[in-house]
Amino acid sequence: DVKVTQSSRYLVKRTGEKVFLECVQDMDHENMFWYRQDPGLGLRLIYFSYDVKMKEKGDIPEGYSVSREKKERFSLILESASTNQTSMYLCASSVGRRNEKLFFGSGTQLSVL
Amino acid sequence: GENVEQHPSTLSVQEGDSAVIKCTYSDSASNYFPWYKQELGKRPQLIIDIRSNVGEKKDQRIAVTLNKTAKHFSLHITETQPEDSAVYFCAASSIGFGNEKLTFGTGTRLTIIP
Repeated sequence: DVKVTQSSRYLVKRTGEKVFLECVQDMDHENMFWYRQDPGLGLRLIYFSYDVKMKEKGDIPEGYSVSREKKERFSLILESASTNQTSMYLCASSVGRRNEKLFFGSGTQLSVL
Repeated sequence: GENVEQHPSTLSVQEGDSAVIKCTYSDSASNYFPWYKQELGKRPQLIIDIRSNVGEKKDQRIAVTLNKTAKHFSLHITETQPEDSAVYFCAASSIGFGNEKLTFGTGTRLTIIP
């Protein structure tokens, strides 16, 4: 069974703080993704990676960066957290054909005060 | 880029009745259309997907239909049960072409009334 693990279920940070969201998958998947989920807006793609040390911007990359130093780990970084980044963040991974059969983590609910 | 619209945003049906959720997409290059189900407090999970070379796909009580000409696709759930209550997301992507990003719809909250 594929496991995608996000380090925190709930996180509270202050405006201006640097925030790291960690995601680890245990199935040797090449592809990893970060989405944010907001009510009424669905899931929106922030960044994705198809290989180690590779990253591509998604639809809403502003204010975020990512790091993929190892195949199993994909980190999302908020350089200077703002209140409009309060959201549910979902990590996902897939194998083979890139956007097929995404396996999601349980999500991190981030609140920026 | 791709734009996916999903309707309705909320849907309530009596247990045992059928439910239909509809999505439209804008990019004619899109050729892969998955549906994800997210139960309350849980992660989204893939329930069914369809490629543009077929018009319909079924898996037990769930079916998806695709109309490439009109650029819309639908999820059909028959004989609904309480465990079908969840938020459903459609999505579209162009597998094999340059821009392969998966674009999601805004979701439909389905409530099954016992």
